[in-house]
Amino acid sequence: GAGVSQSPSNKVTEKGKDVELRCDPISGHTALYWYRQSLGQGLEFLIYFQGNSAPDKSGLPSDRFSAERTGGSVSTLTIQRTQQEDSAVYLCASSLLKTGELEQYFGPGTRLTVT
Amino acid sequence: KQEVTQIPAALSVPEGENLVLNCSFTDSAIYNLQWFRQDPGKGLTSLLLIQSSQREQTSGRLNASLDKSSGRSTLYIAASQPGDSATYLCAVRGMTGANSKLTFGKGITLSVRP
Repeated sequence: GAGVSQSPSNKVTEKGKDVELRCDPISGHTALYWYRQSLGQGLEFLIYFQGNSAPDKSGLPSDRFSAERTGGSVSTLTIQRTQQEDSAVYLCASSLLKTGELEQYFGPGTRLTVT
Repeated sequence: KQEVTQIPAALSVPEGENLVLNCSFTDSAIYNLQWFRQDPGKGLTSLLLIQSSQREQTSGRLNASLDKSSGRSTLYIAASQPGDSATYLCAVRGMTGANSKLTFGKGITLSVRP
């Protein structure tokens, strides 16, 4: 079946502009995660959605970052007034928390470049 | 706060060599541990997942072990091939709910020379 998909695959934007990144999780997966991979920083957690519960936003680096998950499926990560330090690969993962293994499946990522 | 360490950051070996990649974590209260492979400019490919109650998992030439009490995992690659060249990431998952996020190491970049 289809895996996690993300769009766009690449995004170049000017400093100060807003951007939206999209994630389509695997159908039926109740949990959705956003991570960021920056040069020299490794992969860091941003935000977690689980069903209808309030999201865990503890990893968001600033209030310029926000995310939504509509209808328990598609998620959008929004970065307002982008800065050069926001340049990174943004990865989305989904998981079916009802299974025993709770493996997270990752999308291909969106490479964001802020000029 | 969970911290995951992978040392060394880079490794170069000749083709055919058996090798071990190390991963350590500070908080032993984990649900599972995953090893991922990442090729340049690509996303993550899950290689092996070990539940906290398990000691090891095997897939083909790969074998991952877990010693939860000492906070260590190893990924063993047998008979390495140039196609194994990639970055290998170790990640641990917290126990429940808001802690279910993965905490990643910074990865080991492996180069297998023909």
